[in-house]
Amino acid sequence: KAGVTQTPRYLIKTRGQQVTLSCSPISGHRSVSWYQQTPGQGLQFLFEYFSETQRNKGNFPGRFSGRQFSNSRSEMNVSTLELGDSALYLCASSPPGTSGENTQYFGPGTRLTVL
Amino acid sequence: QKEVEQDPGPLSVPEGAIVSLNCTYSNSAFQYFMWYRQYSRKGPELLMYTYSSGNKEDGRFTAQVDKSSKYISLFIRDSQPSDSATYLCAMRKSGGSNYKLTFGKGTLLTVNP
Repeated sequence: KAGVTQTPRYLIKTRGQQVTLSCSPISGHRSVSWYQQTPGQGLQFLFEYFSETQRNKGNFPGRFSGRQFSNSRSEMNVSTLELGDSALYLCASSPPGTSGENTQYFGPGTRLTVL
Repeated sequence: QKEVEQDPGPLSVPEGAIVSLNCTYSNSAFQYFMWYRQYSRKGPELLMYTYSSGNKEDGRFTAQVDKSSKYISLFIRDSQPSDSATYLCAMRKSGGSNYKLTFGKGTLLTVNP
């Protein structure tokens, strides 16, 4: 079974631009979560989507948004990029299961550099 | 105070050593505890998953959770150079729709041959 895939793997943008990152979950997984990883803050939760609905949201400004499609693929968008948005953006998908199960499987990430 | 604290290391051990990695947390609502391993330029890989207090063993890895002390540990026996990576603890609250994971900042481990 293919793992979580993220595109692109690397991205360089300039301040003020916007960017869209894509995530394809493992086949059969309906929950997709996004995280930002930086050396200073570590891994921080951005948001989680399930069946095209945002169920949970982290403490990030409104410049960060996301969506999920009917095939469970997800995109996240960052508008008006700032230097501090430079980070590794990770997507994780979770299989359907009991309410206690939370085996999140991560993709390789998209490395975003803002100049 | 951060919800999850983890010593960033770095930690350097000889091959074959027993490694102990730890996290403390402040939110008593956390019920599910995980350890992830992250190699350089890769996404985190789930190693161990534990619900509430207790121990769980999987091969060379043992995860322990002490909810009364708000303390979790990961032990690696007979450590190998291939174990060299960053180890991240993660935890979440109960609730079927709550998939938000709160992570420690990670401990960088190097196992020297």
